[in-house]
Amino acid sequence: EIVMTQSPATLPVSPGERATLSCRASQSVSSKLAWYQQKPGQAPRLLIYAASTRATGIPARFSGSGSGTDFTLTISSLQSEDFAIYYCQQYDNWPPLTFGGGTNVEIK
Amino acid sequence: QVQLVESGGGVVQPGRSLRLSCAASGFTFSNYGFHWVRQAPGKGLEWVAVILHDGNTEYYVDSVKGRFTVSRDNSKNTVFLQMNSLNVEDTARYYCARWGADDYRRNWYFDLWGRGTLVIVSS
Repeated sequence: EIVMTQSPATLPVSPGERATLSCRASQSVSSKLAWYQQKPGQAPRLLIYAASTRATGIPARFSGSGSGTDFTLTISSLQSEDFAIYYCQQYDNWPPLTFGGGTNVEIK
Repeated sequence: QVQLVESGGGVVQPGRSLRLSCAASGFTFSNYGFHWVRQAPGKGLEWVAVILHDGNTEYYVDSVKGRFTVSRDNSKNTVFLQMNSLNVEDTARYYCARWGADDYRRNWYFDLWGRGTLVIVSS
């Protein structure tokens, strides 16, 4: 099973600032990585797949990078609606599909 | 309207069973695989099971193997999760998620989620 580790667990950021979230896989997942956003009381929403491809309708301030074992999600200028929990998930080697533990981006 | 709607959750005693449903609408159901993903209260996401579009391929996370069964009824555009021998560790909100792909079918992702149904296992 591929273990996904996200850091930090909590990231305090001021509106308008840049947020950088990390995700590490226990073995290479190539570029088979997705990012999801989850707001309180809501289902997750797909942001990024193939490590760096934005899903339909996702604003350009969200960008993903990385390959192999190390990945980054960057939010270039945080808007109020971006405060949420973000999960990475690998789909290179499954079952099982595995998620990271999440990063809570909160208002500083 | 493109959507997934889960139902069937509730409070159940340990050792009992529950069947969840996921009703799909607004797209060609038979073209897609569907997953169940759960989230324990205050915790992260955990993948549970999948049934692929062919209806014959199923996979499960180890912790539910032999207890949970995923199935689908293409005539009713519905996916089911039969959960037997439930234990307190199964307490979670259960989401149904569609397995979508890019144009080259090299990248796969959960591109549509339901709002989930809450399962509480408690004596």
